[in-house]
Amino acid sequence: QSVLTQPPSASGTPGQRVAISCSGSSSNIGRNYVYWYQQLPRTAPKLLIYSDNRRPSGVPDRFSGSKSGTSASLAISGLRSEDEADYYCAAWDDSLSAWVFGGGTKLTVL
Amino acid sequence: QVQLQESGPGLVRPSQTLSLTCTVSGGSISSGSYFWTWIRQPAGKGLEWIGRIYTSGSTNYNPSLKSRVTVSLDTSKNQFSLRLTSVTAADTAVYYCAREPLDVWGQGTTVTVSS
Repeated sequence: QSVLTQPPSASGTPGQRVAISCSGSSSNIGRNYVYWYQQLPRTAPKLLIYSDNRRPSGVPDRFSGSKSGTSASLAISGLRSEDEADYYCAAWDDSLSAWVFGGGTKLTVL
Repeated sequence: QVQLQESGPGLVRPSQTLSLTCTVSGGSISSGSYFWTWIRQPAGKGLEWIGRIYTSGSTNYNPSLKSRVTVSLDTSKNQFSLRLTSVTAADTAVYYCAREPLDVWGQGTTVTVSS
């Protein structure tokens, strides 16, 4: 049981926009920044979004992050086949004094 | 550009101690205000944070693993390390080292706990 809650799966067709949600609490998302990661098979997670909505250099602007209260969302516009991957949200939890992750969302491009 | 590389045994016997090292290249482990972190991922499952160490040496650990985990720093070698005692099959996973805020990750190393 993950501290942050994500849907286990999401899907879309090429060119579509999809959104992946991440729900937490006042001790994590409600107080601290949210980070999003993309994980391709057999590779390390890659940072997509940091500080709720900022993109590292090299990450396409098709990826965007948002946060409201104790929930966050990752949006992917202009979906491409290479976006098919697992996506994870993460945040620091002040009550646990630990990083907490979502269980991951498997994105399928139909 | 900072890069991280995990190293250590790929097979550990049950009840023994798992020891991994993360070598930092492209920058000094003691420069800047960073936490250095260990995360693991069992096959087919999600990510689990294990623990972290600050450049000053202060540490934080996952409450569920705290009694078995030690993270240490060796600035002379530009490395930080993980020790996990009394391992069981449940500790079988890919282990990653990372720099907070989790923007730089190692490629991961697979550790199997088996007799």
